[in-house]
Amino acid sequence: KAGVTQTPRYLIKTRGQQVTLSCSPISGHRSVSWYQQTPGQGLQFLFEYFSETQRNKGNFPGRFSGRQFSNSRSEMNVSTLELGDSALYLCASSFGGAGTTEAFFGQGTRLTVV
Amino acid sequence: KQEVTQIPAALSVPEGENLVLNCSFTDSAIYNLQWFRQDPGKGLTSLLLIQSSQREQTSGRLNASLDKSSGRSTLYIAASQPGDSATYLCAVSPSSNTGKLIFGQGTTLQVKP
Repeated sequence: KAGVTQTPRYLIKTRGQQVTLSCSPISGHRSVSWYQQTPGQGLQFLFEYFSETQRNKGNFPGRFSGRQFSNSRSEMNVSTLELGDSALYLCASSFGGAGTTEAFFGQGTRLTVV
Repeated sequence: KQEVTQIPAALSVPEGENLVLNCSFTDSAIYNLQWFRQDPGKGLTSLLLIQSSQREQTSGRLNASLDKSSGRSTLYIAASQPGDSATYLCAVSPSSNTGKLIFGQGTTLQVKP
């Protein structure tokens, strides 16, 4: 059974640019959540998509957005990149949401903003 | 606001020792608690999931307990090995209707041969 796949694994972008990250969940899972991990703040919840709808949202600016497709694959977009957006971005998939079922994480995308 | 704390932040033990990692949370209204392992620069690997109605879960050398009323969970690792060296994270889910997890800052474990 394939795990959660995130692409690309590494990205280097310049301040002001935008970036799109992709997450393919485990087959059959309908919930995809996104997290930002930094040394100072740890793991922080960005948002969750369930059956193509945003179900929950964390406390991040509107520059961070996402969407989910009918096959449950999800994308996260960050516009007008800032140096502070440099982080490891992780996505998690679960069948019904981490509140009821186990969450499985991808290997992450390491974003560096210069 | 739910806050999750893990103590200690770092731990170094000799191989073979049994050890306990601690996780505490401020709001007992959780739906489940999950323990993860993270190797440097990598994603999270799920270790154990404890539903709010359960008291403990076991997988191999790992045993996790949950005491909702006191807001605490422990992860017990028996007969530690150098391959257990990693950061261990606990996370709570505040609702059944969410994919949101609230994480602690983690305990970085080093097991010396």
